[in-house]
Amino acid sequence: GAGVSQSPSNKVTEKGKDVELRCDPISGHTALYWYRQSLGQGLEFLIYFQGNSAPDKSGLPSDRFSAERTGGSVSTLTIQRTQQEDSAVYLCASSHGYGYTFGSGTRLTVV
Amino acid sequence: SQELEQSPQSLIVQEGKNLTINCTSSKTLYGLYWYKQKYGEGLIFLMMLQKGGEEKSHEKITAKLDEKKQQSSLHITASQPSHAGIYLCGAEIGGSGDKLTFGTGTRLAVRP
Repeated sequence: GAGVSQSPSNKVTEKGKDVELRCDPISGHTALYWYRQSLGQGLEFLIYFQGNSAPDKSGLPSDRFSAERTGGSVSTLTIQRTQQEDSAVYLCASSHGYGYTFGSGTRLTVV
Repeated sequence: SQELEQSPQSLIVQEGKNLTINCTSSKTLYGLYWYKQKYGEGLIFLMMLQKGGEEKSHEKITAKLDEKKQQSSLHITASQPSHAGIYLCGAEIGGSGDKLTFGTGTRLAVRP
């Protein structure tokens, strides 16, 4: 596609429920990144994919967070048993080795 | 501690005034990116700097990377209300092609 697409754009979920966030990168971009932006905070790195493998998962805050990427394209970030502190904007970016293009993000609210 | 420090954290300027935002690291920055973010939106790419001493301009925005590649500045000339938003610097600190590490951002408001 022309840009990085993320869905849903907004998600409100009850504490304890699982959520899945989707990222559709720019076609041909082999690298894909997930970030989290909490209110008033900068961007916090979560995980990086090169193709379908994740050489850097160092930013995942707990084992409730997981991500996968299939076909070197779409990626899904899953948060299990959501907590209120998970509320944030989750941003995805893709890259072909020069520059990073960001999606508009998914605003997650855990109530 | 923050690997990338941005200053100031917030800034209010009168329309037409110039302003500068700084981004500083104690480590070498292999690639330095400036992004702008408006509330509820994603990041809009502004400029990328790679070489020490490099300077780039786009419309009224100029970004520089110092010779040591540890500090960058973003300068806006004759600010306009459309410049309002959050400015974020991101850098490849671990080496070229590494993930971007971001500063905490600078919130800019421009008074008409």
